[in-house]
Amino acid sequence: EVQLVQSGAEVKKPGESLKISCKTSGYMFTTYWIGWVRQMPGKGLEWMGIIYPGDSDARYSPSFQGQVTISVDTSITTAYLHWSGLKASDTAMYYCARRNYYHYAMDVWGEGTAVTVSS
Amino acid sequence: DIQMTQSPSSLSASVGDRVTITCQASQDIRKYLNWYQQKPGKAPKLLIYDASTLETGVPSRFSGRGFGTDFTLTISSLQPEDIAMYYCQQYDNLSYTFGQGTKLEIK
Repeated sequence: EVQLVQSGAEVKKPGESLKISCKTSGYMFTTYWIGWVRQMPGKGLEWMGIIYPGDSDARYSPSFQGQVTISVDTSITTAYLHWSGLKASDTAMYYCARRNYYHYAMDVWGEGTAVTVSS
Repeated sequence: DIQMTQSPSSLSASVGDRVTITCQASQDIRKYLNWYQQKPGKAPKLLIYDASTLETGVPSRFSGRGFGTDFTLTISSLQPEDIAMYYCQQYDNLSYTFGQGTKLEIK
């Protein structure tokens, strides 16, 4: 069974760094793109970016370029989303999702990681 | 960046009704339009990809149409379990954009 299991909820202060994870299983990690999606409280879905674990080729939405870093560790089939300096506006739910091998939709999703940034 | 305009933003319908949600792209995206359903407190779920292909396991009352810039998601006979947010998503050269979402409620 294909699974994406995300790390638990985080409460951080502005300016702190954070890396959340998306542990995958049940498929060949290096051959499927993994994307990240933000959902601010009560709002819609926002595309952040996507990475190909085979060569760590990462593409970012212009809105998130320079704001976050997407990475992978192929040895443990895990993708990451990293902030070097959090802001209160980063408070949101973050989802990872796998892009299907044969088409461009995100067919398997993690359960989400809630991030709260507050002083 | 390609912008997606989804309408309506909210919709109230009765069980058994035919419901249609539309999504318009700011430029030609050929068939690369996906639809997702999101229930409260849950992750999104893929319903339709490539504008009209039903994801495995999705009820046949859901259907999608369109090509180029104009797309629709139709529920042929609304069921209580269809109450959710619905989002379109376009794909263009490793860049994705979601529509603003449609909140579907039971009347």
